[in-house]
Amino acid sequence: DAGVIQSPRHEVTEMGQEVTLRCKPISGHNSLFWYRQTMMRGLELLIYFNNNVPIDDSGMPEDRFSAKMPNASFSTLKIQPSEPRDSAVYFCASSFSVTYGYTFGSGTRLTVV
Amino acid sequence: GQQLNQSPQSMFIQEGEDVSMNCTSSSIFNTWLWYKQDPGEGPVLLIALYKAGELTSNGRLTAQFGITRKDSFLNISASIPSDVGIYFCAGQGGMYSGGGADGLTFGKGTHLIIQP
Repeated sequence: DAGVIQSPRHEVTEMGQEVTLRCKPISGHNSLFWYRQTMMRGLELLIYFNNNVPIDDSGMPEDRFSAKMPNASFSTLKIQPSEPRDSAVYFCASSFSVTYGYTFGSGTRLTVV
Repeated sequence: GQQLNQSPQSMFIQEGEDVSMNCTSSSIFNTWLWYKQDPGEGPVLLIALYKAGELTSNGRLTAQFGITRKDSFLNISASIPSDVGIYFCAGQGGMYSGGGADGLTFGKGTHLIIQP
């Protein structure tokens, strides 16, 4: 099992540019989560999907953030336009059900300059 | 929204000592989870607790789900250098009616530093 795969591992972009983060969940998992981690705010849930359907996006900070899950094996988190305060580590996690712990990817470290 | 208060924020201990950390919440959780995060990696699940009062062990780790469902603790016995890292508690409110999993609320973490 390859685990949750995120790409890219590191992203440096200029303010105003569009950024797309990618995630491939573990095969067979039906829930997918996007988290953001910063020193100040810790790990924050941005949005999650069950069976490819967005369930709760109340953690998405602004309209500049959007997420999609077109199929069970792929999800994207897009920031457009990006701002320096979006700099953080973004994690994707997947799960089979509430009775199982989540498996996290290795994260994407985003730096917006 | 739900908040988790995790303490202590950091711990400096000697190798071989026991470690104890805890989390409290103003809200009830149905599931408590403890994760460890190493630098440059995502959190890794250590222990999951599903029932109030449950006490679960995983090697040198022991965790308990508080009776009130508003707290949990994690103990590490006889610490070793590889225990260094950030430990997070996380709570989950309940099962989404569609059969999947809800999002987790995380504590701010406990930084564990071990002096040889």
